[in-house]
Amino acid sequence: SAVISQKPSRDICQRGTSLTIQCQVDSQVTMMFWYRQQPGQSLTLIATANQGSEATYESGFVIDKFPISRPNLTFSTLTVSNMSPEDSSIYLCSFTSGRNTGELFFGEGSRLTVL
Amino acid sequence: AQKITQTQPGMFVQEKEAVTLDCTYDTSDQSYGLFWYKQPSSGEMIFLIYQGSYDEQNATEGRYSLNFQKARKSANLVISASQLGDSAMYFCAMREFGRGDDKIIFGKGTRLHILP
Repeated sequence: SAVISQKPSRDICQRGTSLTIQCQVDSQVTMMFWYRQQPGQSLTLIATANQGSEATYESGFVIDKFPISRPNLTFSTLTVSNMSPEDSSIYLCSFTSGRNTGELFFGEGSRLTVL
Repeated sequence: AQKITQTQPGMFVQEKEAVTLDCTYDTSDQSYGLFWYKQPSSGEMIFLIYQGSYDEQNATEGRYSLNFQKARKSANLVISASQLGDSAMYFCAMREFGRGDDKIIFGKGTRLHILP
């Protein structure tokens, strides 16, 4: 199965700053998904990123706050902009396996703490 | 309305006992898939098992089985002979194939504690 790596694995950020999370897959994937997991909570889908087109955002998430890039089929970035303590979460990138079960493979996650 | 409902926020089970984690779902699609993931304290998401809506047999993967009751819209995960390493968060999730967008929606999870 494909390997997905994500960085940073964790970071401590100051309020008002922005941080970009990178996600690299070792094979080409069509769609990548960015999730947020707030402390003690489930995973919430932020957006779906297709190569060559604008990301599709879920309700409650906007491009100005979470801009996403998808320059090619193996790479994506998520930026968390103008951070506040409420943005302290684990951010996970993922993609769908090529099998008919279609399960998601996840990166290791980026644990952000905003002070 | 919630698409995926996990009614057990936490469970404590004695080691070596079997455990059932509940999951009910809501969809009007005829074609959908149900997933279970495990998230240990390290935070990684581990795919455990999959059940398609048209699958007639309950899915099994080693010690994991999925008790799929389509009419009740339930997809409970059964872990046989639990081990200490099974202590983790468990998430039930669903993809509705009629959407055509490959999105997977997760339930709120159940934290399982295996007691020695």
